[in-house]
Amino acid sequence: ILNVEQSPQSLHVQEGDSTNFTCSFPSSNFYALHWYRWETAKSPEALFVMTLNGDEKKKGRISATLNTKEGYSYLYIKGSQPEDSATYLCAFPTSYDKVIFGPGTSLSVIP
Amino acid sequence: NAGVTQTPKFRVLKTGQSMTLLCAQDMNHEYMYWYRQDPGMGLRLIHYSVGEGTTAKGEVPDGYNVSRLKKQNFLLGLESAAPSQTSVYFCASSSTGTSGGASSYNEQFFGPGTRLTVL
Repeated sequence: ILNVEQSPQSLHVQEGDSTNFTCSFPSSNFYALHWYRWETAKSPEALFVMTLNGDEKKKGRISATLNTKEGYSYLYIKGSQPEDSATYLCAFPTSYDKVIFGPGTSLSVIP
Repeated sequence: NAGVTQTPKFRVLKTGQSMTLLCAQDMNHEYMYWYRQDPGMGLRLIHYSVGEGTTAKGEVPDGYNVSRLKKQNFLLGLESAAPSQTSVYFCASSSTGTSGGASSYNEQFFGPGTRLTVL
């Protein structure tokens, strides 16, 4: 059974702090790795789709790195703001048609 | 361009009642999915479809049926609702392949969710 793990489960940081989370996925048969941002009472939206070992993507204060050989990805948020409060999901396509989601990391940014 | 829509947004059922959730997408995506989201469990795949007229089981298919009669619609049915089916249901769609040379790598586009309570 393929498993996608995320840590930590939840995180509380002060406004202005930088933070990072981890996603672990199977290192064999790698196709892609997705990061989604999921705000309360909304639906998940894709942040990054990562495909190459060593990939680094950036969107504003949020960036992500990918290591396909060891099966992990890091998501970094620089200078957290209250509007960054959300659950961050990573997802691992197991084939061309299915995706397995991790349990998510819930981030709360305290003003 | 509405993206992915779901109806209804909320529903309360009694045990044993049946209902159908409708998902519609206007992005011409080939793949469509139904997930349920429960506290502490993340998103779990119920059923999915890789094209019109095809469906397949996901991780938690029991108690649900699906149909994909039209490419843009994916229906999720509960024949006899149980309290264990109280959940938030999300529909998603994705594109198979390449557009302008770039693959979508199965990026999921989600609907707004349906909150279902079974009493």
